[in-house]
Amino acid sequence: EPEVTQTPSHQVTQMGQEVILRCVPISNHLYFYWYRQILGQKVEFLVSFYNNEISEKSEIFDDQFSVERPDGSNFTLKIRSTKLEDSAMYFCASSPPGLAVQETQYFGPGTRLLVL
Amino acid sequence: DQQVKQNSPSLSVQEGRISILNCDYTNSMFDYFLWYKKYPAEGPTFLISISSIKDKNEDGRFTVFLNKSAKHLSLHIVPSQPGDSAVYFCAAGSGNTGKLIFGQGTTLQVKP
Repeated sequence: EPEVTQTPSHQVTQMGQEVILRCVPISNHLYFYWYRQILGQKVEFLVSFYNNEISEKSEIFDDQFSVERPDGSNFTLKIRSTKLEDSAMYFCASSPPGLAVQETQYFGPGTRLLVL
Repeated sequence: DQQVKQNSPSLSVQEGRISILNCDYTNSMFDYFLWYKKYPAEGPTFLISISSIKDKNEDGRFTVFLNKSAKHLSLHIVPSQPGDSAVYFCAAGSGNTGKLIFGQGTTLQVKP
């Protein structure tokens, strides 16, 4: 069964460093998302992406964050200058094309980011 | 963000019985709702969804009920199995951007 994959599974970085989290969505999907979950808190929406542009972003997704689909398969989240509070599990998700596209989002296993 | 709430942090049921997981929301603009199951150190696994134009959707052992007037939805699992033990999240969205608002989750334990 096709699934969303994410790399790396864990990343440790120093505060102020740039990190790139990578995702390979399911191959025929057209809608892509990033969420994060800080330990002990809810899963939070960061950004949605369709047709090579951002559809919606949350207030968390400030100028330090960017997303890109550099080729036909990868979808990346970049954090330019990490802060301690960026430590979280980051989930990528994707949705298939179709009428009920927003009603089905498939999540990857997550990347655990630790900022020291 | 308290737009989606799961007021029961945990639920324990006996194998073979029904599990009922509840979710309340405050935003009447939500027009679709999803349920996810999550194991530790894994991503959420999509279970079932429902559009706001329906009041019930069924898929195998999973049924979701939506009561729009009460702004309440529930997930029924029948019969419950030990492998169903996990954290269950409800999530809600509106519009066409796919943004989901999640509840805080309910930990289900199914005892053999």
